[in-house]
Amino acid sequence: GAVVSQHPSWVICKSGTSVKIECRSLDFQATTMFWYRQFPKQSLMLMATSNEGSKATYEQGVEKDKFLINHASLTLSTLTVTSAHPEDSSFYICSARRGENSNQPQHFGDGTRLSIL
Amino acid sequence: DAKTTQPNSMESNEEEPVHLPCNHSTISGTDYIHWYRQLPSQGPEYVIHGLTSNVNNRMASLAIAEDRKSSTLILHRATLRDAAVYYCMGYNNNDMRFGAGTRLTVKP
Repeated sequence: GAVVSQHPSWVICKSGTSVKIECRSLDFQATTMFWYRQFPKQSLMLMATSNEGSKATYEQGVEKDKFLINHASLTLSTLTVTSAHPEDSSFYICSARRGENSNQPQHFGDGTRLSIL
Repeated sequence: DAKTTQPNSMESNEEEPVHLPCNHSTISGTDYIHWYRQLPSQGPEYVIHGLTSNVNNRMASLAIAEDRKSSTLILHRATLRDAAVYYCMGYNNNDMRFGAGTRLTVKP
């Protein structure tokens, strides 16, 4: 159990395009979902944390208007990169967790590789 | 802020045990210690987590220091498929960070 599906796995688009990434927990209800960004050969950087039905909490330095997060249900969160530019190219990864506390592990999607031309 | 420290890399021979250390001195008293691993171009995979006492599952064992400021992930018999970047994560209340991770190389 605890499967997280992330879609799409790969996106290539022109500068100025908005891109939506979906993260779904397939076999459990995810009270909390996380969005990360990862550059080559680096660790994961937390972008934001979202709880179902609430506004996302963004990490310092992450632009809320640039990276729109919606966590409308217990099984779906979306990240929209608005007006994407080449510097937004990265590997984006979501995770989902039962509950709001650290006594539950995070379960990760397979990531979305975003390339902006 | 939550902060973890791990060695950048470690090597092991196949079929031998591997002990991966992590310091998480900022962990809060009630937060769990988590370990994940990541293969190239994939999302991380959950390995194990624990609070105070040692934990075992089918993938690994987790030994937690009595003061909870450090822990060790133990792979009892490393296989080539265990080659990955291993991350420990120590929460500090609602703050959590992935450390830089340890790249484990397994030699046949």
